[in-house]
Amino acid sequence: DGGITQSPKYLFRKEGQNVTLSCEQNLNHDAMYWYRQDPGQGLRLIYYSQIVNDFQKGDIAEGYSVSREKKESFPLTVTSAQKNPTAFYLCASNPERGNQPQHFGDGTRLSIL
Amino acid sequence: GENVEQHPSTLSVQEGDSAVIKCTYSDSASNYFPWYKQELGKRPQLIIDIRSNVGEKKDQRIAVTLNKTAKHFSLHITETQPEDSAVYFCAAREKSSGDKLTFGTGTRLAVRP
Repeated sequence: DGGITQSPKYLFRKEGQNVTLSCEQNLNHDAMYWYRQDPGQGLRLIYYSQIVNDFQKGDIAEGYSVSREKKESFPLTVTSAQKNPTAFYLCASNPERGNQPQHFGDGTRLSIL
Repeated sequence: GENVEQHPSTLSVQEGDSAVIKCTYSDSASNYFPWYKQELGKRPQLIIDIRSNVGEKKDQRIAVTLNKTAKHFSLHITETQPEDSAVYFCAAREKSSGDKLTFGTGTRLAVRP
């Protein structure tokens, strides 16, 4: 969906390096999410945020960190503590109220150098 | 928390035939069930969704059925076409967990021309 922009599309990480994936939305959505997708597998929730300045861990938060300083932005940092970061990372958002569908960005593919 | 199981993991059908993908969920508090289609290297796109107060919903060649008692829901694609080939994910949203979605592991559908 055009309202969610992820950057960069491809990212390479060196040993011991932290990298940050960007996610911006102009849909005025309250809730934002980060998922990790490994080849041939489903989506696993890393972190999510339902309101500015608040976020919760998902199922696989170890080695990742997030911030939500602005409603439209939810950056994900993959820290050096994440030993197997190679994956496809997807950001999503939805309005908070009611059962509304999540809309996804185009994803960032992260690889290790 | 919620647990969603999806079957089959792969499905191959002849063009024009029907395809059915089934999902079960564990938490009876779940009240929203979307289906996403994901083409290789692209974002998941919502194709249909159903809420817990409805038993069936149809949109052209796609339909979803929900059985709350048995805690399962299914995606039906009729008159399949080669462009239906993709990976399909089901998901369930449990209201008690802050609106986050739990995804199934995906079904890779191949439509043979």
